[in-house]
Amino acid sequence: DVKVTQSSRYLVKRTGEKVFLECVQDMDHENMFWYRQDPGLGLRLIYFSYDVKMKEKGDIPEGYSVSREKKERFSLILESASTNQTSMYLCASIPKPQGTYHTDTQYFGPGTRLTVL
Amino acid sequence: LAKTTQPISMDSYEGQEVNITCSHNNIATNDYITWYQQFPSQGPRFIIQGYKTKVTNEVASLFIPADRKSSTLSLPRVSLSDTAVYYCLVEGSSYKLIFGSGTRLLVRP
Repeated sequence: DVKVTQSSRYLVKRTGEKVFLECVQDMDHENMFWYRQDPGLGLRLIYFSYDVKMKEKGDIPEGYSVSREKKERFSLILESASTNQTSMYLCASIPKPQGTYHTDTQYFGPGTRLTVL
Repeated sequence: LAKTTQPISMDSYEGQEVNITCSHNNIATNDYITWYQQFPSQGPRFIIQGYKTKVTNEVASLFIPADRKSSTLSLPRVSLSDTAVYYCLVEGSSYKLIFGSGTRLLVRP
């Protein structure tokens, strides 16, 4: 069974701390994504990666960075956590498209609910 | 990237058919239309995808008119477990998926 796992379901950190959110997928997918989800705002794309060591900014990259050293792992880093980064963080992956691009399944992890005090 | 517009919320009763319409006026030739379902405290889950006309699977149907500027997700005979948020996405020659606010469907007994 395909799987995307995230390191924690719930996390509580203090303002100014450095925070690492880890995502691992076992499907050999090239593309991985980090989203945050807030009430009334839907899912917003933070960063994505289409290959090892490759990354691109999404719609709201400010205050975040990412790391993709291995194909199966995509890390989201909050360099100095702030209260406005309290949110649900979702990781997802999809395979490299074949031919005309479309995806029939983007696989999501269970999410990490981060609270910054 | 095409932007989508959907109703914020919908109410229904068990056993009814539910139709959720999504507007995507700026859809491009290469774009596909995909719908996801999300339950509380879970990541979104793929439901159905289509390019034009009608697509049906074991869960839902997707209707897309000829101009492709809108699409309708149809859920036959909903049950309480269909209470969730439904997202309409338009995606094509890009790695980025743009999720809007979705439609919150409440199914009542």
